[in-house]
Amino acid sequence: GQNIDQPTEMTATEGAIVQINCTYQTSGFNGLFWYQQHAGEAPTFLSYNVLDGLEEKGRFSSFLSRSKGYSYLLLKELQMKDSASYLCAVSRGFSSNTGKLIFGQGTTLQVKP
Amino acid sequence: EADIYQTPRYLVIGTGKKITLECSQTMGHDKMYWYQQDPGMELHLIHYSYGVNSTEKGDLSSESTVSRIRTEHFPLTLESARPSHTSQYLCASSERYGNTEAFFGQGTRLTVV
Repeated sequence: GQNIDQPTEMTATEGAIVQINCTYQTSGFNGLFWYQQHAGEAPTFLSYNVLDGLEEKGRFSSFLSRSKGYSYLLLKELQMKDSASYLCAVSRGFSSNTGKLIFGQGTTLQVKP
Repeated sequence: EADIYQTPRYLVIGTGKKITLECSQTMGHDKMYWYQQDPGMELHLIHYSYGVNSTEKGDLSSESTVSRIRTEHFPLTLESARPSHTSQYLCASSERYGNTEAFFGQGTRLTVV
């Protein structure tokens, strides 16, 4: 089967660092995406990992271990505007031109002053 | 900034009515998607298109239908709306080759009464 698990809710303090974990089980793994979604708005792309290791983009970093079926999103220097849902999504496909995404339920992050 | 547009943003309609949700993108993307998202739940792929005249059903069974007559346009139709169709519908698009990120529209929040 295909399954993606991430914590439902997290709370952190402004200025701190938070790590959001995602574990997955899927066939035809073809990469893992992280999206940010503010309430009532469209998901926006944050990061993409297809090889093992860490990808860094400013205050956001994402890590992937394919052998463990595990990824995390690291947010540094948290700001109030980072309060949102963070969606882990796995891309499936046996060729490079497919990209059907399976989404996790999302982790709602609340940043407190 | 993503150039993908959905109309209407909000729709309240009576049971049995036929509705069409519009989605257009100006990025020249070949791949387009429709996702369904209930409040607090994960996004589920309901339709997928590789390009003009290509459509496939997604992972979640849906009574809706789609068409792709033009690259930029990917409308979703419900022939007879029911309360069970109440949900948020998100349209997205991505480039043809490689596992590039999907750009999402703002969504249509549909309520069938």
